Amino acid sequence: DVKVTQSSRYLVKRTGEKVFLECVQDMDHENMFWYRQDPGLGLRLIYFSYDVKMKEKGDIPEGYSVSREKKERFSLILESASTNQTSMYLCASSFSGLNQETQYFGPGTRLLVL
Amino acid sequence: DQQVKQNSPSLSVQEGRISILNCDYTNSMFDYFLWYKKYPAEGPTFLISISSIKDKNEDGRFTVFLNKSAKHLSLHIVPSQPGDSAVYFCAASARNNNDMRFGAGTRLTVKP
Repeated sequence: DVKVTQSSRYLVKRTGEKVFLECVQDMDHENMFWYRQDPGLGLRLIYFSYDVKMKEKGDIPEGYSVSREKKERFSLILESASTNQTSMYLCASSFSGLNQETQYFGPGTRLLVL
Repeated sequence: DQQVKQNSPSLSVQEGRISILNCDYTNSMFDYFLWYKKYPAEGPTFLISISSIKDKNEDGRFTVFLNKSAKHLSLHIVPSQPGDSAVYFCAASARNNNDMRFGAGTRLTVKP
């Protein structure tokens, strides 16, 4: 049974703070993803990683960075949080390969930036 | 540029009836399509998928239909149950791409 965990379910931060969101998966998946979910916009891809120390920008990378030092862990970093980064953040992972693979999601982190 | 569109933000159906959720896409490179289901305070969970070599895939009460010429897919749930009430996301990806694009979601409410 695939398990994707996220370090916090709820976070409240102040504008300008540095924020770390952690994600860990236990299925040895090569690929890991960070999305944000906003009403009316669905899930939008921020960054993804297909291997350790590798990262690719998604559709909305501005204001975010990521770190993948170990295969099982993918961190999303908000260098200087802003109110427009208030959102639900979802981490996902999947196997890599020629056939597209289903992504498995964590429970999400609801971030409020004041 | 939203490559995957779900134009109905919400849908309400009576228990026992059919629920039909629709999804359109614009990128002709997409060849793998998925539906995810999301309950409040939980992450999305995979429901059903379809490859572009098929036009239908069925799994119990859930059937996904793909119309490649129209760049349209739909999810049919029959019979609908109150436990099906959730937000449903359509997603698509292209061969050899590891990333996926999601629609905005449709909130399904099944009334007892």
